[in-house]
Amino acid sequence: DTGVSQNPRHKITKRGQNVTFRCDPISEHNRLYWYRQTLGQGPEFLTYFQNEAQLEKSRLLSDRFSAERPKGSFSTLEIQRTEQGDSAMYLCASSSQISGNTIYFGEGSWLTVV
Amino acid sequence: AQSVTQPDIHITVSEGASLELRCNYSYGATPYLFWYVQSPGQGLQLLLKYFSGDTLVQGIKGFEAEFKRSQSSFNLRKPSVHWSDAAEYFCAVVFGGATNKLIFGTGTLLAVQP
Repeated sequence: DTGVSQNPRHKITKRGQNVTFRCDPISEHNRLYWYRQTLGQGPEFLTYFQNEAQLEKSRLLSDRFSAERPKGSFSTLEIQRTEQGDSAMYLCASSSQISGNTIYFGEGSWLTVV
Repeated sequence: AQSVTQPDIHITVSEGASLELRCNYSYGATPYLFWYVQSPGQGLQLLLKYFSGDTLVQGIKGFEAEFKRSQSSFNLRKPSVHWSDAAEYFCAVVFGGATNKLIFGTGTLLAVQP
């Protein structure tokens, strides 16, 4: 199965530390999304890449957050100087016209900031 | 503003009973419509989608949904619920634009009684 892959699946970090999550989209999917989901809420859009270009960023993405997608393949989401409010599940998703514009999600990366 | 409403936060049904989960969206044109299911601690699995055409769409696991333009609704149904259907269900909408990003409702948590 070559679905969307995310790692690490779980991360516990101390407040103030930096963390990085990686997402490997479905191969040949040129669109990649990051979402954040807190308990009891639906996923909230963070950012969007088309190939290597970051075309949209949500206001939720503060300056402590940065996302990259070098070479238009995998993507990383880095959170600097983590705060307790950053505790959430970070979901990656991908799509393409080939997939009929259907967006497929990974299993998510859980972040707990203590 | 573009929004997705799932008015039922929590629903309990008996195994074998029918199910209907409600979803409404705010927008003028016909968006792309999706239902996803999420088990605890897991990512999102696509149940079904509507882009155009027949307003009654069939999905996986015996689910179906009906798009009603006049009501701006896309309700999810299943004629006979199984205990394994217990999960959280999210309605999501692509309102258009270059990113095709999903806007999610807040979810409906389904419990199934034996």
